[in-house]
Amino acid sequence: SSELTQDPAVSVALGQTVRITCQGDSLRSYYASWYQQKPGQAPVLVIYGKNNRPSGIPDRFSGSSSGNTASLTITGAQAEDEADYYCNSRDSSGNPGVFGGGTKLTVL
Amino acid sequence: QVQLVQSGAEVKKPGASVKVSCKASGYTFTGYYMHWVRQAPGQGLEWMGRINPNSGGTNYAQKFQGRVTMTRDTSISTAYMELSRLRSDDTAVYYCARFDSSGWYQYFDYWGQGTLVTVSS
Repeated sequence: SSELTQDPAVSVALGQTVRITCQGDSLRSYYASWYQQKPGQAPVLVIYGKNNRPSGIPDRFSGSSSGNTASLTITGAQAEDEADYYCNSRDSSGNPGVFGGGTKLTVL
Repeated sequence: QVQLVQSGAEVKKPGASVKVSCKASGYTFTGYYMHWVRQAPGQGLEWMGRINPNSGGTNYAQKFQGRVTMTRDTSISTAYMELSRLRSDDTAVYYCARFDSSGWYQYFDYWGQGTLVTVSS
């Protein structure tokens, strides 16, 4: 299967830790990348590979992977982290053609 | 700094075609594949396809085969995405995104600002 499954919505109290997961068969072979999207804005890369953050992404964002599940963890969530988060990986043709359905993160 | 600047919003009638441009700057245009991703209102991200700006070679998602054409003009560092036979469910924001890969890693590291295409009679 080329699908990636994410929980539609997750909430976290301000300053607490939250994990957003992404499940799919392709994740057994390929690392996921993670994107943050705020309303009316383009997606922004936050995590790629095993656990790599682009320049400018706070270190409270981290990634991990086990079996068919990739996870994005935010340690000490801030109000500005409230957004939609999408995972991405390769499809059966090797293209990065699969996005998860997205997780809406609410910071309470 | 890397920038991807897309063309402005479009309103089209069903059955028409639309061509969206994506002008790249701040890096070697031919050194990175360019992908196109769309997002319908209130929906998630959907991959449409990619172009190798160096060779012009393309790969399209099966869903768009026969309706989408991706091209580039290396002289002005611009990629294009043309979608034909538009339907109302093609109403979406269309993004170009630069793709980088290194071994096991692959990711979209820069995105255009998005182009809203509205299909309405």
